[in-house]
Amino acid sequence: NAGVTQTPKFQVLKTGQSMTLQCAQDMNHEYMSWYRQDPGMGLRLIHYSVGAGITDQGEVPNGYNVSRSTTEDFPLRLLSAAPSQTSVYFCASTRDRESGYTFGSGTRLTVV
Amino acid sequence: SQQGEEDPQALSIQEGENATMNCSYKTSINNLQWYRQNSGRGLVHLILIRSNEREKHSGRLRVTLDTSKKSSSLLITASRAADTASYFCATVRPGGSEKLVFGKGTKLTVNP
Repeated sequence: NAGVTQTPKFQVLKTGQSMTLQCAQDMNHEYMSWYRQDPGMGLRLIHYSVGAGITDQGEVPNGYNVSRSTTEDFPLRLLSAAPSQTSVYFCASTRDRESGYTFGSGTRLTVV
Repeated sequence: SQQGEEDPQALSIQEGENATMNCSYKTSINNLQWYRQNSGRGLVHLILIRSNEREKHSGRLRVTLDTSKKSSSLLITASRAADTASYFCATVRPGGSEKLVFGKGTKLTVNP
């Protein structure tokens, strides 16, 4: 099925560990974004990309890195996990800025 | 900082009633979008309204936009228990910005 695929669905990390959250879409969308969702905070934009090789920071980029080597993939790297990064992470993509985004089902991350 | 602010934060109604949620935003926009999120799931795009549009319909959904007041409303008519979800507004700013920035959402409960 066409859509946005996020892996893993659940992850527990120890403080200081690093990991990569994977995001892939098969709709040939140029625009991709990463959000985190915390209770009472809505969704906050971490990083976004408008095409392969082009990324930019969102509202809360500290502690996260991204790269976009292909149109399909947009991985999010946590460099040194902290308890404050415990959250649900969503990846989303869209064809252009005049269209709605398609969201993945999320990754629930707990940092202990 | 987050662009949109939904009101009310929570809304509880009976099946068959209409539900109205409001969104206020801070800066000029290119378009405004509404999304639904069922508990524990990803977000689903409902409707997009452009800055030069005042009203848009999609099935039981009606969205209005008042750019002079920097506000939008989402009306769900003849609500159903299946409409129980959180609803978020999100905005895209003009001038080439590709960021989609969300508000904190309204939690709607439709009682059977």
